[in-house]
Amino acid sequence: KNEVEQSPQNLTAQEGEFITINCSYSVGISALHWLQQHPGGGIVSLFMLSSGKKKHGRLIATINIQEKHSSLHITASHPRDSAVYICAGCLDSNYQLIWGAGTKLIIKP
Amino acid sequence: NAGVTQTPKFRVLKTGQSMTLLCAQDMNHEYMYWYRQDPGMGLRLIHYSVGEGTTAKGEVPDGYNVSRLKKQNFLLGLESAAPSQTSVYFCASSRYHRNEQFFGPGTRLTVL
Repeated sequence: KNEVEQSPQNLTAQEGEFITINCSYSVGISALHWLQQHPGGGIVSLFMLSSGKKKHGRLIATINIQEKHSSLHITASHPRDSAVYICAGCLDSNYQLIWGAGTKLIIKP
Repeated sequence: NAGVTQTPKFRVLKTGQSMTLLCAQDMNHEYMYWYRQDPGMGLRLIHYSVGEGTTAKGEVPDGYNVSRLKKQNFLLGLESAAPSQTSVYFCASSRYHRNEQFFGPGTRLTVL
């Protein structure tokens, strides 16, 4: 069993829909990262959070450290949001990141 | 600022050949990382460095060596390439271990 699980693995939605991607982890982490990987392969960091909620434009990330769960939400989704979204936990023990396998999101116009 | 750059972008090797991938960052970051990404799997950490002159093993270090002689550069070496090392390699850097990581564009390596 992976230490970081993302769901769903694949998600297709219509433009304008509210999107939720979930990340659950089974190990102790001090912070969680959300990243976006574009179809061309580039990886961009979206958020790093250790508690509560962060918002950037149409993206919102939340985390509940006690429940070991984080969510990434996209409001008013747009085709340009189509990408793979990856969560990664920063381990308490050695500060390395453990990575989820990613959620492939496709937004149709 | 260029951020994080990687060279080369693509490479094809024959089994047993050697090569070095170069990662450079201009953000004065202390931490640098090498990852590999394979289809259907998450990024896996190969080696990392917490500062100039230091290196440490990550999750999948076998078959790779690294060096960090200068703060801005992190080199990944394959001494004797194997088909199992066919992958996309990403370099990243961060100010410290809990900070945002900045990624290079990746190197697509094929070992025949």
